Amino acid sequence: NAGVIQTPRHKVTGKGQEATLWCEPISGHSAVFWYRQTIVQGLEFLTYFRNQAPIDDSGMPKERFSAQMPNQSHSTLKIQSTQPQDSAVYLCASSLDGHTQYFGPGTRLLVL
Amino acid sequence: GDKVKQSPSALSLQEGTNSALRCNFSIAATTVQWFLQNPRGSLINLFYLVPGTKENGRLKSAFDSKESYSTLHIRDAQLEDSGTYFCAAEEGQGGSAKLIFGEGTKLTVSS
Repeated sequence: NAGVIQTPRHKVTGKGQEATLWCEPISGHSAVFWYRQTIVQGLEFLTYFRNQAPIDDSGMPKERFSAQMPNQSHSTLKIQSTQPQDSAVYLCASSLDGHTQYFGPGTRLLVL
Repeated sequence: GDKVKQSPSALSLQEGTNSALRCNFSIAATTVQWFLQNPRGSLINLFYLVPGTKENGRLKSAFDSKESYSTLHIRDAQLEDSGTYFCAAEEGQGGSAKLIFGEGTKLTVSS
């Protein structure tokens, strides 16, 4: 079992560019969660899907951020017009039972 | 934030000693998970708890939903236990499964 896979592991973008982050959940897991981690804010929830349907996006910034889960094997987090304050480690987690969460290694995003 | 408050924020232990980490909740926590973020940055799930206790090797955790706290006990600390420990809670019955994290306890184990 490869665990949760996130790509890329590191991404550097210029201010105003778009960034797309990918997550492949553990095979058979029906729930996928996105979080981000910064020194200042700590670990913050963004959004989650169950059986590919969006369930809760209460943590997503209303502008520029969007997430999709087009099939059971991957989810994407897209940030349009990236800003320096978007710099963070973006973490994806998956769950079989909908509760116990297993995290991927994260994507470190740096916006210059 | 203050919804999940962890203490202490940092801790130094000698190998072979014991310690306890604590989380206090100002929300109606229904389940708790404990994670270790290792020096490489990976978040490792240690425990998932409904009210009660669980034990795994040298680690033992308890969650009391009525008193709104959870503890993680480390027995016979080893160098590989070093890292940052996070607790996280789900809030409310039938609510979202999103986790609300504490600020973490940075543990350093030395020989």
